[in-house]
Amino acid sequence: GAGVSQTPSNKVTEKGKYVELRCDPISGHTALYWYRQSLGQGPEFLIYFQGTGAADDSGLPNDRFFAVRPEGSVSTLKIQRTERGDSAVYLCASSLTGRLNTEAFFGQGTRLTVV
Amino acid sequence: GDSVTQMEGPVTLSEEAFLTINCTYTATGYPSLFWYVQYPGEGLQLLLKATKADDKGSNKGFEATYRKETTSFHLEKGSVQVSDSAVYFCALSDPIIQGAQKLVFGQGTRLTINP
Repeated sequence: GAGVSQTPSNKVTEKGKYVELRCDPISGHTALYWYRQSLGQGPEFLIYFQGTGAADDSGLPNDRFFAVRPEGSVSTLKIQRTERGDSAVYLCASSLTGRLNTEAFFGQGTRLTVV
Repeated sequence: GDSVTQMEGPVTLSEEAFLTINCTYTATGYPSLFWYVQYPGEGLQLLLKATKADDKGSNKGFEATYRKETTSFHLEKGSVQVSDSAVYFCALSDPIIQGAQKLVFGQGTRLTINP
């Protein structure tokens, strides 16, 4: 596609449920990032993939959060036993490589609301 | 750890006014600095960047100069337009400390330009 695509755009779930958020990066981009943006705040880094592997998952808040990218393209962020504090906009970005001087392109995000 | 602080918004200006959005940072290493913009209904977009001290990034009439002595990267535009209304995020990437792939964002500044 022309840009980074994230689905769904909105997700409402009940506390304790499991959710999956999907990211389709720009074709050919090897680097993929997930960020979380709480209301009134800037995005916070969660995890970075280079190809199929998670090169840096230091931003994942706890073991309820997990992400995969099995074929080096589409990525899924998985949240188990959701809590109200998980409510935020989850942003995905991709870049051609993981190097500093390659621009990261962001999707429009998935707004997750846990009720 | 590394951090970015932006002037709080919202900022409201009249068309053709001069714009400054302040941004200061704290970093252990030698970061690259960025301004991202989020227009209504769209994803984050890179506006400009600077990778070393005294570099000036510029795009679409916006400018920001990397000032190591004051640890600042203030965004300026000489004459704003209604179409500049958006949320602006200052960010850094510290390749030595945090890895080139991880962006640290400020909290964002909402700018509204009135005709």
